Amino acid sequence: AQKVTQAQTEISVVEKEDVTLDCVYETRDTTYYLFWYKQPPSGELVFLIRRNSFDEQNEISGRYSWNFQKSTSSFNFTITASQVVDSAVYFCALGPTGTASKLTFGTGTRLQVTL
Amino acid sequence: NAGVTQTPKFQVLKTGQSMTLQCAQDMNHEYMSWYRQDPGMGLRLIHYSVGAGITDQGEVPNGYNVSRSTTEDFPLRLLSAAPSQTSVYFCASSWGQGALNSPLHFGNGTRLTVT
Repeated sequence: AQKVTQAQTEISVVEKEDVTLDCVYETRDTTYYLFWYKQPPSGELVFLIRRNSFDEQNEISGRYSWNFQKSTSSFNFTITASQVVDSAVYFCALGPTGTASKLTFGTGTRLQVTL
Repeated sequence: NAGVTQTPKFQVLKTGQSMTLQCAQDMNHEYMSWYRQDPGMGLRLIHYSVGAGITDQGEVPNGYNVSRSTTEDFPLRLLSAAPSQTSVYFCASSWGQGALNSPLHFGNGTRLTVT
């Protein structure tokens, strides 16, 4: 069975602080995909990143960066210099290769960024 | 480009009533799926389809039926609504080519309340 754990239920930071959202996963598959989605207060789900289990390179996109460590089964997400617009619920998800529809989601981390 | 369209946006049902949540995508994606989102539980997979005429159960299928007669449409049917089905429902689509998964593209959700 697959499992995704986001132990941080809610995080509050002040604007311009850096924040890291943790994601730990469990799977018996040898190949898999990991995803992060953002759900702003308006409710839609916005795709942020997909990472193949073969690729352990860290990725940076503007203020966002992701640290994938297969040895610890973690795929953490860091926002640098947070902004109020980053306030949202962030979901980490795990999916098998070859079956694009079947994602297992974590319970989400609510990030509140205040002035 | 409409993407994934869900209707209705909101619905209130009485216990025992039936209804169909509609989902349509215009991206020619072969994979489609339904998730429900409940507080503190993330998103859980209800049913999914890997192509027209093919459907399968996800993590929480009880009380729901699906069919996939066309590539574009993937309706979710509640045959006899129960209060436990009060939730926000998301439809999603994606494409896959061998082991390569695209991210899920989500609709904007349907908020269902069963009284």
